[in-house]
Amino acid sequence: AQSVTQLDSQVPVFEEAPVELRCNYSSSVSVYLFWYVQYPNQGLQLLLKYLSGSTLVKGINGFEAEFNKSQTSFHLRKPSVHISDTAEYFCAGITGANNLFFGTGTRLTVIP
Amino acid sequence: DAGVIQSPRHEVTEMGQEVTLRCKLISGHNSLFWYRQTMMRGLELLIYFNNNVPIDDSGMPEDRFSAKMPNASFSTLKIQPSEPRDSAVYFCASSPVRASNPYFGPGTRLTVL
Repeated sequence: AQSVTQLDSQVPVFEEAPVELRCNYSSSVSVYLFWYVQYPNQGLQLLLKYLSGSTLVKGINGFEAEFNKSQTSFHLRKPSVHISDTAEYFCAGITGANNLFFGTGTRLTVIP
Repeated sequence: DAGVIQSPRHEVTEMGQEVTLRCKLISGHNSLFWYRQTMMRGLELLIYFNNNVPIDDSGMPEDRFSAKMPNASFSTLKIQPSEPRDSAVYFCASSPVRASNPYFGPGTRLTVL
C-alpha cells in the first residue's frame, strides 16, 4: 500500500494564479514529509521538507506546504505561479523502514 | 560539491546485453538509493544501502538486477540480461543520515531495444 497519495495527476493553472497540489499520507508514514520537483529531463530537486516544529514549511521558489495532522495532509501551495514552475511535483514520506516513498506525481502546467 | 554523479546519462542497448549503471555519492553521505522511473509505475525504490550494506532490496524486480557498493562513495546497478521492459530512467540518490532527504543524481535514461 502506498504511504502517500497525490490526489491530482495533472493540474493546469494560469500564470500568476495561485495553486495547490494535494498530498495525503497514511499512518504508516513517519512524520517526515517532503516535496520534490522534477523539471523535464532532470533529476528530482528538494522543494521543502517537514521534520518537526512549525507546521507551515517554506521552501524554494516561493512554495510552501502545511502539515495537517488531523487531516493527514501535506498540501503544497504557491500564491502566484510562473511559467518556469511547469514541472512534475512529487510528495514523499519516510516509512518505518526509513525508505523514502514517493507519490505518483502531479504534473503542473502553467498556462501563459 | 559536484552532487551525485551518474554515468552514463544515456544508454541504448539490445535485448540480452549486460548493462551497468554507475553512481558516485556525495562526499560524506552514507545512504545510497537506486530508483527507477517509468510512465506506468512512476518512481520505484529498487534498493537502498546504509554504510555500504544493503538494507532493503525488496524493490529489485528480479534476479537479473543486482546492485553493489564496492566502497563508501561508489555504487553500480547491473542488469543481466537486459529486456525491453527494463527501459526507464534510473536515478541514484544519496543522503547523509537515515530519515533525511536524499539528493538525486541526474539519472540514466536506459533504452533496451
